Amino acid sequence: EDQVTQSPEALRLQEGESSSLNCSYTVSGLRGLFWYRQDPGKGPEFLFTLYSAGEEKEKERLKATLTKKESFLHITAPKPEDSATYLCAVQAGYKAAGNKLTFGGGTRVLVKP
Amino acid sequence: KAGVTQTPRYLIKTRGQQVTLSCSPISGHRSVSWYQQTPGQGLQFLFEYFSETQRNKGNFPGRFSGRQFSNSRSEMNVSTLELGDSALYLCASSLGWGSVGDTQYFGPGTRLTVL
Repeated sequence: EDQVTQSPEALRLQEGESSSLNCSYTVSGLRGLFWYRQDPGKGPEFLFTLYSAGEEKEKERLKATLTKKESFLHITAPKPEDSATYLCAVQAGYKAAGNKLTFGGGTRVLVKP
Repeated sequence: KAGVTQTPRYLIKTRGQQVTLSCSPISGHRSVSWYQQTPGQGLQFLFEYFSETQRNKGNFPGRFSGRQFSNSRSEMNVSTLELGDSALYLCASSLGWGSVGDTQYFGPGTRLTVL
């Protein structure tokens, strides 16, 4: 069974204090690993997809990396508007899995000014 | 391009009632998935539809069902509501089914409260 574990559960940062979020996964042949951002009361907002170990993607202050067992989301010099829950999800590679995403529990990030 | 829309945004029902939620995917997207989000269980996959056919299903009881129409719009139905069905129900759409690079885009969700 596919499993995703995110750590820490919650993270409090001062504005400008860089940090990393961890996503550990086990999956039947990884088709893709996804990062989403979710604000309270809203649906998840797509950030990145990573497909193979060694891949990296960046968007503003966020950078996602992938190994064979983990993914990291690095937040560089965060601002208060980066406060949100960050969700990691995997998509299995076998055909019958379709687009199904298996999610981790998320990391709640609070950035204080 | 308009995003995924879900209606209604909020619903209050009582135990034993049934409810129907609606989802309109991004224009051109043919796959729709449904997820349940609760504080205790997080985001869990309910089912996925592509070309009006249910392609896979999560571990939820038969009270949860869905369908997809020829215009790719989808509905999900929950019968005989229980208190534990209170959750945020999220719909996600993607272009195709099971292809590398196919991203799921989520709607704002329907907040269901069962009293």
